[in-house]
Amino acid sequence: NAGVTQTPKFQVLKTGQSMTLQCAQDMNHNSMYWYRQDPGMGLRLIYYSASEGTTDKGEVPNGYNVSRLNKREFSLRLESAAPSQTSVYFCASSAAQRDSPLHFGNGTRLTVT
Amino acid sequence: GENVEQHPSTLSVQEGDSAVIKCTYSDSASNYFPWYKQELGKRPQLIIDIRSNVGEKKDQRIAVTLNKTAKHFSLHITETQPEDSAVYFCAANSNTGKLIFGQGTTLQVKP
Repeated sequence: NAGVTQTPKFQVLKTGQSMTLQCAQDMNHNSMYWYRQDPGMGLRLIYYSASEGTTDKGEVPNGYNVSRLNKREFSLRLESAAPSQTSVYFCASSAAQRDSPLHFGNGTRLTVT
Repeated sequence: GENVEQHPSTLSVQEGDSAVIKCTYSDSASNYFPWYKQELGKRPQLIIDIRSNVGEKKDQRIAVTLNKTAKHFSLHITETQPEDSAVYFCAANSNTGKLIFGQGTTLQVKP
């Protein structure tokens, strides 16, 4: 099993450009998440999907949209990138929402100039 | 709102010493408390977790303690080794199921 797979690994965007970060998991997990990681800020939840067909905002949703395409895939879209969105983005999944561990992907390092 | 505070932000110990990282949480409905280790340039990986029906859990050199009354939990690493050097994150689940992470502790183990 590959676990949680994210693409791309690295991306550089100019301000105003758009892009979609892809995430897929092969563990048959119900819940999927997008976090961003910035120095000294820990991991902050952007959006999550408790189950196929549902999505909810996390702590820092502004500037992002998500799509739970099916049970396996959960994508994160930046419609108009800003320098403040420079960060490392992690996708994660878990078997159940309330008290199951998260399994993280390898991350996407995004730089917006 | 939901919040997890983690201390210290950096910790330096000599190889063989113990290391303790402490976290407090605000949501009294939290009942799941995982700890993650993140090596430089890598993804966070679960090292141990505890649920609210127990007060302590051990796995070899790692232990976690939970005090639900005081709303705090701690990670204890004994006989530290250089490969323990990493960033450690605590987390607590919210009443809506989301995991809220602490700010992280950078542990340096000096040989």
